Amino acid sequence: AQSVTQPDIHITVSEGASLELRCNYSYGATPYLFWYVQSPGQGLQLLLKYFSGDTLVQGIKGFEAEFKRSQSSFNLRKPSVHWSDAAEYFCAVGTDNNNDMRFGAGTRLTVKP
Amino acid sequence: GAGVSQTPSNKVTEKGKYVELRCDPISGHTALYWYRQSLGQGPEFLIYFQGTGAADDSGLPNDRFFAVRPEGSVSTLKIQRTERGDSAVYLCASSRQGGRGGGGEQFFGPGTRLTVL
Repeated sequence: AQSVTQPDIHITVSEGASLELRCNYSYGATPYLFWYVQSPGQGLQLLLKYFSGDTLVQGIKGFEAEFKRSQSSFNLRKPSVHWSDAAEYFCAVGTDNNNDMRFGAGTRLTVKP
Repeated sequence: GAGVSQTPSNKVTEKGKYVELRCDPISGHTALYWYRQSLGQGPEFLIYFQGTGAADDSGLPNDRFFAVRPEGSVSTLKIQRTERGDSAVYLCASSRQGGRGGGGEQFFGPGTRLTVL
């Protein structure tokens, strides 16, 4: 069965520290990979996406993600976290077999001053 | 408008009642998606429209749920005989063209929080 796993439900980091949010997927077909951020009362905003080509993808707000096919992973990173990055982060996967995206359960990020 | 809008932002209803949730997609976007997000979960796909037609309704949980998009723009999600388990945030998204893989980038609305008492 197709699935998207975000192993960390909640992560707390200090402002200025580096961040890595994990995402693993299980799909038979070529995946299209996305990271979205959701702030309270806000809609989901796309941070970055991977369809093909360079496996290191740059996104908005200083985020990047790396697609590792051998590990079925698409982890999100940021070298220095800002207090405004506190939010819920969702990894999502689409494939050529589906019209929709499948989302992970999300990782809630708390930023300590 | 500049983005996807959804109305109402909050809806409280009683068990057994009928509700309608509205989505206004970004102008010119042919693809429209409905998702349901329960507390502590990621969005769960419900239905996908390409133009006026429902191209994929495999995510609708049962026949109490129905959605329309009669003119290929605004969409309405309709829930009959609501149950407490229907309480969730209902999200709408649109994309330029839709299709396989989730249609490329989807732009999400702020959602409608439905509470069934």
